[in-house]
Amino acid sequence: NAGVTQTPKFQVLKTGQSMTLQCAQDMNHEYMSWYRQDPGMGLRLIHYSVGAGITDQGEVPNGYNVSRSTTEDFPLRLLSAAPSQTSVYFCASSRDGRLYEQYFGPGTRLTVT
Amino acid sequence: SQQGEEDPQALSIQEGENATMNCSYKTSINNLQWYRQNSGRGLVHLILIRSNEREKHSGRLRVTLDTSKKSSSLLITASRAADTASYFCATVRLEWGETSGSRLTFGEGTQLTVNP
Repeated sequence: NAGVTQTPKFQVLKTGQSMTLQCAQDMNHEYMSWYRQDPGMGLRLIHYSVGAGITDQGEVPNGYNVSRSTTEDFPLRLLSAAPSQTSVYFCASSRDGRLYEQYFGPGTRLTVT
Repeated sequence: SQQGEEDPQALSIQEGENATMNCSYKTSINNLQWYRQNSGRGLVHLILIRSNEREKHSGRLRVTLDTSKKSSSLLITASRAADTASYFCATVRLEWGETSGSRLTFGEGTQLTVNP
């Protein structure tokens, strides 16, 4: 199994540009989530999904959209990039968002200039 | 605000010594999880301890949970240079509601350095 994969690994955007961060998992997990990690801080939840077609907001959802059309994929869209969105983004998946551990992807390092 | 807070923020020890990291949280939880993050990498799950458990072991790792004090500790015995990483605790709150129980909340982490 590849586990959780994320693309791209690095990205530089200009303010106002939009882009999609890709996330895929091959473990047939129902629960998927997106976090951002800023220097010296823990992870903050952006959006999550408990199954195909179901998404919900996390702690810091503004400026981001998600959709879950398949069990495997959970893309994160930045609508109009801002310098405050410069961060490392992690996707994670789990059998269940509460009762089991989460498996993390390697991250996408995003810089917005 | 963060649900979990780790203490200390940074810890530097010699190889072979034990390392203890603590985590405090604010609300009732379903379970508490510990993760490790090597520099520039994703998080790796270490141990999950449920609210009705008091202690769990995995290899050189020992985790305790005191729900009355809302705190947990992670002990790494006989540390190695390869244990150098950031360690995070994360809690799943005991909340009712359709999806609210799905949130895993992370602390800010403890940076552990094990010197050879």
